Amino acid sequence: AQSVAQPEDQVNVAEGNPLTVKCTYSVSGNPYLFWYVQYPNRGLQFLLKYITGDNLVKGSYGFEAEFNKSQTSFHLKKPSALVSDSALYFCAVRPLYNFNKFYFGSGTKLNVKP
Amino acid sequence: EAGVAQSPRYKIIEKRQSVAFWCNPISGHATLYWYQQILGQGPKLLIQFQNNGVVDDSQLPKDRFSAERLKGVDSTLKIQPAKLEDSAVYLCASPDRSGANVLTFGAGSRLTVL
Repeated sequence: AQSVAQPEDQVNVAEGNPLTVKCTYSVSGNPYLFWYVQYPNRGLQFLLKYITGDNLVKGSYGFEAEFNKSQTSFHLKKPSALVSDSALYFCAVRPLYNFNKFYFGSGTKLNVKP
Repeated sequence: EAGVAQSPRYKIIEKRQSVAFWCNPISGHATLYWYQQILGQGPKLLIQFQNNGVVDDSQLPKDRFSAERLKGVDSTLKIQPAKLEDSAVYLCASPDRSGANVLTFGAGSRLTVL
C-alpha cells in the first residue's frame, strides 16, 4: 500500500535558524515527490517537486528538498527560517504507475518564533 | 489558488441536513479532484473526474456523498444527510497549466456539522 509519513506533527524553530521538515514514503517504483504549504484558511500551494535528476531541488520562497532514494525520504529544508514561513506543510507522492493519484502525508505544523 | 474557484467558503449545518459545494477548476483542464481534509490530517481523495466521467470514487461514502460534473467543467459535491464526522474542509483541485505534474487547489469549503 502506498503511504506517506511525516513523523513530526510540529516543528519549532527560531527565526534565522535552519529548518527541516521530514517526509518518508512507501511507494512502488520511483514516484514523483512534492511539497505543498497551507496557510490558515487557504488551499494548498505548491512549493517544489522532484521528478528526476539532481537530488537537491529548489523551490519557492527559498525552500529546498533533498531526495534520498535509499532512505525513501524527501525532507524539506530552508537555511534560514522566517516568521512568515509558519504554516502547515504537506508532503505528497505521485506513483509513476498511477499517474493521476496523489497521496498526501498528515502534515507538519511549522512554528517559527521571532 | 488562482484558477480554481470554490463556494461557499464556509457552511454550518446541523446533522442530517444536506449541503452542496461547487468548484470551477482551471479552464480547459479535463481532470478534477475533490479532497476531504479533516482537521489535523492530510487531504484524502474523495473522487476524481476526467471530463464528466468518474475515474476513481473508491473512497467516496456513496450512501451520503455524491458528485457530478455534467459538462466536464464545473463540479458539485453534495452531502445528504450530513454526519458530525463530515466536518472538514472540502478541497477542489486540478492540474495546473504547466502540465499534469502539479495540482492547483482552490481555497476550500469549510463545513461544520453540529
